[in-house]
Amino acid sequence: LAKTTQPISMDSYEGQEVNITCSHNNIATNDYITWYQQFPSQGPRFIIQGYKTKVTNEVASLFIPADRKSSTLSLPRVSLSDTAVYYCLVMQKTGFQKLVFGTGTRLLVSP
Amino acid sequence: GAGVSQSPRYKVAKRGQDVALRCDPISGHVSLFWYQQALGQGPEFLTYFQNEAQLDKSGLPSDRFFAERPEGSVSTLKIQRTQQEDSAVYLCASSLVPDSPYEQYFGPGTRLTVT
Repeated sequence: LAKTTQPISMDSYEGQEVNITCSHNNIATNDYITWYQQFPSQGPRFIIQGYKTKVTNEVASLFIPADRKSSTLSLPRVSLSDTAVYYCLVMQKTGFQKLVFGTGTRLLVSP
Repeated sequence: GAGVSQSPRYKVAKRGQDVALRCDPISGHVSLFWYQQALGQGPEFLTYFQNEAQLDKSGLPSDRFFAERPEGSVSTLKIQRTQQEDSAVYLCASSLVPDSPYEQYFGPGTRLTVT
């Protein structure tokens, strides 16, 4: 499984765009990049997944360069409720596999 | 609809006691996972069930940990002779089909404190 590296923590203010970068140098051809969000006292929640270029949903955007050795999760105009831990995972899209979480990035959004 | 539920939400055990943690997955979900999350760390895989079959228990840290899902729905994680290093949040997740590994829905977890 490809190892991921992401910043331990980030601070932001309400209304700003937040970009969290994850490096995964050893990503395999059939691996996808998946991001989870975890609020205090809750389990992680899937937010977005992508293979290459750009993916956007109602929560976030995911940017993946051509070499796929890194990815950036973009949260537009964050609010206080976006304060959470964000995990970057590299995994195959189908078939049984356990989710391998790193330590994640703790995002703190202040007023 | 109802999500994954876990009980109890908090459990305090004295060292050496046995504990049982329950997970009620989303109805109809075939796959069920248990994870352990230490303070400040990401969740770590413990074990996986597909229906009642335990297909992977490679993450269970010792033979004091035991999980079951006898009827393919509710699951119980049992820890015998608890130790202080067992203190963590135990998360359960379920998914509808085995082939969508990222679509795991997590419960709120049970926080176990061993004193």
